[in-house]
Order: sequence, then C-alpha cells, then structure tokens
Amino acid sequence: SYELTQPPAVSVSPGQTARITCSGDSLPSHYAFWYQQKPGQAPVLMIYKNTERPSGIPERFSGSSSGTTVTLTISGVQAEDEADYYCLSVDDTVSYEGVFGGGTKLTVL
Amino acid sequence: QVHLVQSGPEVKKPGASLKVSCNTSGYPFITYPLSWVRQAPGRGPEWMGWINPANGDTTYAQKFQGRVTMTTDTLTSTLYMDLRSLRSDDTAVYYCARVPSGSVLYFDIWGQGTMVTVSS
Repeated sequence: SYELTQPPAVSVSPGQTARITCSGDSLPSHYAFWYQQKPGQAPVLMIYKNTERPSGIPERFSGSSSGTTVTLTISGVQAEDEADYYCLSVDDTVSYEGVFGGGTKLTVL
Repeated sequence: QVHLVQSGPEVKKPGASLKVSCNTSGYPFITYPLSWVRQAPGRGPEWMGWINPANGDTTYAQKFQGRVTMTTDTLTSTLYMDLRSLRSDDTAVYYCARVPSGSVLYFDIWGQGTMVTVSS
C-alpha cells in the first residue's frame, strides 16, 4: 500500500526554523496538505495544495514541494508550535483513497 | 460559523456494531462531501471514506469495505458512520471532517472526535 514517510521527530530552539518533510512516490502528481495536532485536539489544517495557507494560519508556516518530497517550514518557531504534524495526500493506484503520513513530533527546546 | 458536533463516547464489545453521528451547521449541508477519519491511541490519523451528501455517493477505504457504511440525513444536516464486527483494534477516536473540494480530498473543518473503546 502507498505510504507517506515523515521523520518521527524534529527539535528546534525558539526562533529557529523547523523543516518537516513528507516523501511519497505520488506527490509529484497529487497535492499534499499539512495538519497540526495538539494533545486531545482535532487536527488543524495548516497548509493546503502544497503551498497555500488558510486564513488565520500564521505567516511563519509555509509549504513547498520538490519532486517526491513536500516540506512544511516553520520560520521563527514559537513554543506554541510544539505539536504533531501530519501530511495528507491521496493514493489512486487502486482507488482514490486518503493517506496520512506517520506524523512528526515537533519539540521546541 | 461552521460547526461539526459529534455524538458522545462509546464502549462496545468485540463483534458489536457502532453508530456515530456528526451534526453539521453553518453552511449548506449538501454543498461539500464529508469524511470519517479515525486515530488509534498513539497513532496517526487514518482515512475511512467519504460521502457526497448531495447524492449519497460513497467511497470507502479498501481496509473498511464491507464493514463500514456512511450515510447522511439532509433534513437534519447529519452524517452517520456505521462500523460492524468491531475488534479491539477499532479502539480509536473517530472524527468527521468536511471536504471543502469536490475533486481534491482534504479536510478543512473537523468534529471534536468521538472516543470509541472496544473491549470485552
């Protein structure tokens, strides 16, 4: 089955830049989306269609895409950004199905 | 403001069936598809399927085909998810989520989640 691969953990100090990657063979053909999830809460959409930021999401969050890898970049990380981050895309090899990455725990040191 | 409000926690025995509801408000119900996503303890989210409230068309993840049914009630703007033959590994938080595009699968608004525990 199709997989999206993320690093399990990323650590940065406040004010630094965090980059979280998501790799998948179908990413050149399908958009990726990024979600932030804090303990006990539902996921929140942070980036859609690889690079777009929903209204209300701070400008320090940005997305980029290159080949089979998409990247969520958080510039000037703040303590409140500590959370789990998941990428989402689709697998259309058999049918059109949503697939989430395994998640990355961002720790703000 | 758009809201998705789900039914309360459930405890079920293995082999039982589950029905979770998701009441929507703040937008025309038939405008956007809706999905169910579940998340087992300590794991990432897992997409289960989606339904188009305008015509009832459904697509289920292969993993759940034959065991899940998603329906909608347009009169009450409510989404339902039935899951049968429950197993212990169905223990998870189940979320409903709105799909803001008819052609691209992603979720902009989520319900608060429904904790489902399957245990003998």
